[in-house]
Amino acid sequence: EIVLTQSPGTLSLSPGERATLSCRASQTSSSKYLAWYQQKPGQAPRLLIYGASTRATGVPDRFSASGSGTDFTLTITKLEPEDFAVYYCQQYGSALYTFGQGTKLEIK
Amino acid sequence: QLQLQETGSGLVKPSQTLSLTCSVSGGSISSGGYSWSWIRQPPGKGLEWIGYIYHSGNTYYNPSLKSRVTMSIDRSKNQFSLRLTSVTAADTAVYYCARGWGLGDFDYWGQGTLVTVSS
Repeated sequence: EIVLTQSPGTLSLSPGERATLSCRASQTSSSKYLAWYQQKPGQAPRLLIYGASTRATGVPDRFSASGSGTDFTLTITKLEPEDFAVYYCQQYGSALYTFGQGTKLEIK
Repeated sequence: QLQLQETGSGLVKPSQTLSLTCSVSGGSISSGGYSWSWIRQPPGKGLEWIGYIYHSGNTYYNPSLKSRVTMSIDRSKNQFSLRLTSVTAADTAVYYCARGWGLGDFDYWGQGTLVTVSS
């Protein structure tokens, strides 16, 4: 089973700044099956990125993602107030899904 | 627009069975190429995938929960269900149903339902 480790646990930034979130897999993961979600309090997670780098429908282009193998990154340029939330990476492999533990993006 | 809605008991006693149903509207649960998952989130914690079912009825469960989980599908009602046996306080969580598709991600989610395990 692949374990996903996200860093940092909490990221404190100001609106307008750039956020870089990391997701590391315990073993090589197919980038085809790596996704990122945003979750706000009291809401279900929202799909942001699939296939490691493809934005889901309606996701602003300030969100971008990249990576392959064991290291994946989500970048948010010019943070907007609504971007402060918890972000999860997720992978699919061998008929199983796993999530990272999340990165909380908070306002500094 | 596809919508998913979880229903079921919000309070379950320890050692009993948790039962939830996800009703799908705006699309058919029998459409090929999709899986139908349950995912849970304990209060203040992260997401844990429980398992998924295909329209064919084939199921795949998280190994950590496999001995206690059963999922089923009712194509006539456009619903799928979760049963989790022998629950403890550790099973207290918001339970989400979600649709999985070809690139291994979840594109539609229910709003979630809180299930509390307590006597």
